[in-house]
Amino acid sequence: GAGVSQSPRYKVAKRGQDVALRCDPISGHVSLFWYQQALGQGPEFLTYFQNEAQLDKSGLPSDRFFAERPEGSVSTLKIQRTQQEDSAVYLCASSLFPLSSGYNEQFFGPGTRLTVL
Amino acid sequence: TQLLEQSPQFLSIQEGENLTVYCNSSSVFSSLQWYRQEPGEGPVLLVTVVTGGEVKKLKRLTFQFGDARKDSSLHITAAQPGDTGLYLCAGANDMRFGAGTRLTVKP
Repeated sequence: GAGVSQSPRYKVAKRGQDVALRCDPISGHVSLFWYQQALGQGPEFLTYFQNEAQLDKSGLPSDRFFAERPEGSVSTLKIQRTQQEDSAVYLCASSLFPLSSGYNEQFFGPGTRLTVL
Repeated sequence: TQLLEQSPQFLSIQEGENLTVYCNSSSVFSSLQWYRQEPGEGPVLLVTVVTGGEVKKLKRLTFQFGDARKDSSLHITAAQPGDTGLYLCAGANDMRFGAGTRLTVKP
């Protein structure tokens, strides 16, 4: 398909395990965003990539969270030593233009629901 | 970071009623976006408003951007059950979202 895909759709982890969440953006999209969405809340910004450069990681809640986009396409969000408060839906979005352009229609994936037991 | 406050947080109405939800900030936005999110899916863009005082219509949905570009409203006429969802606003400057208004339209 031509949309944003995320995998896995569901992930259950035991507290203390490391997890890796994958995002495949729309081909050719320059911008890629990661968000964390708690139940009943709006998406909370985590980090932003322009191509392979991580220009903003101010939303990452701790140094246990790490994101990369090494070739400017697929991105991975890694959470080390997961804790129960990390349980949430992790959304990825891509946009054709850089954030600075002001033309930022974001296309979202369906999200990965992470449950930490 | 520009903080967005959305109100009301929850809204439950009967089919056919009209409603308005709000998105407010103390900061000025170059443009502002509204999204709708359904359960199990990512948000989908409804509209982008750019000019202060701008009004955009999308079928039964009317979006307005405040003159000072600090606030926006979404008005739905004759709501239908298919309008049920989480309505989110986001500043295009930094793509941060408000907490959203969860709308339920009962048949």
